[in-house]
Amino acid sequence: DVKVTQSSRYLVKRTGEKVFLECVQDMDHENMFWYRQDPGLGLRLIYFSYDVKMKEKGDIPEGYSVSREKKERFSLILESASTNQTSMYLCASSSLTATIYGYTFGSGTRLTVV
Amino acid sequence: GENVEQHPSTLSVQEGDSAVIKCTYSDSASNYFPWYKQELGKGPQLIIDIRSNVGEKKDQRIAVTLNKTAKHFSLHITETQPEDSAVYFCAASNRGGADGLTFGKGTHLIIQP
Repeated sequence: DVKVTQSSRYLVKRTGEKVFLECVQDMDHENMFWYRQDPGLGLRLIYFSYDVKMKEKGDIPEGYSVSREKKERFSLILESASTNQTSMYLCASSSLTATIYGYTFGSGTRLTVV
Repeated sequence: GENVEQHPSTLSVQEGDSAVIKCTYSDSASNYFPWYKQELGKGPQLIIDIRSNVGEKKDQRIAVTLNKTAKHFSLHITETQPEDSAVYFCAASNRGGADGLTFGKGTHLIIQP
């Protein structure tokens, strides 16, 4: 069964900490995405990547960075966590032609910053 | 950039009745419109999609319609069942989703027994 795996289901971090959210896919997909999901706001795109070492800003990149050193792994980094980054974070992947199979999402990481 | 509006935010229907969720988009260049279903504790899952060269697409009890002139598209679920209870998201993209999808805010569909 193909899937996207996010390393943590729940995470609690302190304000100012550097936080790493990890995502791994086993479908050999070229594209990977990080979204955050907040009640009443839907899913908002933070960053995405076409290929290894490539990254593009989404709609809300401020306060975040990403790393893609291997094709199957895409990491989201919060350089200095703040309380307004408390959210559900969803990773997704897709083939180059996303319209064939759509996105495959992970189950999400619920991050709480205290 | 693209903006997608989705209505209603909550929809409650009797089991066996039909449910309709509507979305509008702002970017006339958008050409790909998927719908995702998210069950509690899970990530969203693609249930159906439509491209701009098609007006309607159906898959068993689910159908999607697209009106390019009016820039709106809708999800229709017939003969609703308890397992249809979930949050549904519409989305739009002008590159088939290759550089990200713009999602609506979601509709919580509740199927009443």
